[in-house]
Amino acid sequence: GAVVSQHPSWVICKSGTSVKIECRSLDFQATTMFWYRQFPKQSLMLMATSNEGSKATYEQGVEKDKFLINHASLTLSTLTVTSAHPEDSSFYICSARTEGSAGYTFGSGTRLTVV
Amino acid sequence: EDKVVQSPLSLVVHEGDTVTLNCSYEVTNFRSLLWYKQEKKAPTFLFMLTSSGIEKKSGRLSSILDKKELFSILNITATQTGDSAIYLCAGSGSARQLTFGSGTQLTVLP
Repeated sequence: GAVVSQHPSWVICKSGTSVKIECRSLDFQATTMFWYRQFPKQSLMLMATSNEGSKATYEQGVEKDKFLINHASLTLSTLTVTSAHPEDSSFYICSARTEGSAGYTFGSGTRLTVV
Repeated sequence: EDKVVQSPLSLVVHEGDTVTLNCSYEVTNFRSLLWYKQEKKAPTFLFMLTSSGIEKKSGRLSSILDKKELFSILNITATQTGDSAIYLCAGSGSARQLTFGSGTQLTVLP
């Protein structure tokens, strides 16, 4: 079945640095990639929708200059957390629409800890 | 704005019990309702429901959608400790992104 490979699976970074998270669709073309964030004991909140070759659409309250999304090819979407701060520590996960009964395929997630 | 509400927020049962998890939704141009199980990492797909009144079943898990009442339930029979997880319900509309509910934290005690 469709697989989305996400890495890194976890990362610890210092406050003020930037972190890039990659999601690759391994055996299908992901025209659209959704990026979610999940704080402890909370649900997944959609941050932005990225479309190959165009600008991402951000949800209300998500800073586009802080969370840079690039979707330069049909198999790769990246999320860069710029100038990370401790409050950005969270679980970030990507998802792509796929054909078939599941409808959507999720990456394995990235746990970001900013110290 | 799309909205998905799950209840209860948490549930503690003993092995062998049957549980029913609830999900109500308000999704513009509704297309489908999905259920996921989340343990430590990414959500694991359980069911996608698009048609009202048709039960989907997989082993001890089953789910049904009521499009008139904008409601879905997930049933788990003969629960096991391995069923302990967060169960997420999500609605998909015209924009195709998923709007998730807050989840139900299920704990199954031995």
